Amino acid sequence: AQSVTQLDSQVPVFEEAPVELRCNYSSSVSVYLFWYVQYPNQGLQLLLKYLSGSTLVKGINGFEAEFNKSQTSFHLRKPSVHISDTAEYFCAVSDGSSNTGKLIFGQGTTLQVKP
Amino acid sequence: IAGITQAPTSQILAAGRRMTLRCTQDMRHNAMYWYRQDLGLGLRLIHYSNTAGTTGKGEVPDGYSVSRANTDDFPLTLASAVPSQTSVYFCASSAGTRHNEQFFGPGTRLTVL
Repeated sequence: AQSVTQLDSQVPVFEEAPVELRCNYSSSVSVYLFWYVQYPNQGLQLLLKYLSGSTLVKGINGFEAEFNKSQTSFHLRKPSVHISDTAEYFCAVSDGSSNTGKLIFGQGTTLQVKP
Repeated sequence: IAGITQAPTSQILAAGRRMTLRCTQDMRHNAMYWYRQDLGLGLRLIHYSNTAGTTGKGEVPDGYSVSRANTDDFPLTLASAVPSQTSVYFCASSAGTRHNEQFFGPGTRLTVL
């Protein structure tokens, strides 16, 4: 079965510094990959997704992610973070065993941006 | 405003009581999902529905039931609540295929005492 591992539970970083949130998934023939963000006391919203094509995917709020098939990774990056980026970030992969929209989520990474 | 609504926003419930969490979407999405979110565990799928009239079990279905009588509504029922069901519950919907994003509701915070 497909699984997702987010390697860091918390990532503290100073404002305007770069950040990388790591995500690895278990191997599959083909996968669709997603990053969601959850601001405090809110639901999740999509940051970006990889379906096919270019391995570098750009999303909202200046975030981007790179799909690396050989390393089964989909790390999220931002060159310069803002205080408003403080949130929980979730990596997710589509369930490759079916054609439905079921997602498997990682455990989440809390990004704490400090002034 | 298009999207997903959930009710109630929060609830404190005595163990053994029955509770139904409501979820409604107005995007005419085929698929709907219920997740629970627990610290350190991320989101885990409880039940899902690919289309009206069908439902399926997710990763943690025990103690929960769902129905999908129409496209818009997808209620989640706890027949006899237990403290381990204390969690934040999120409903989501999508067009249904693997590449479609899921849209999430604001969540219901449930405490079972």
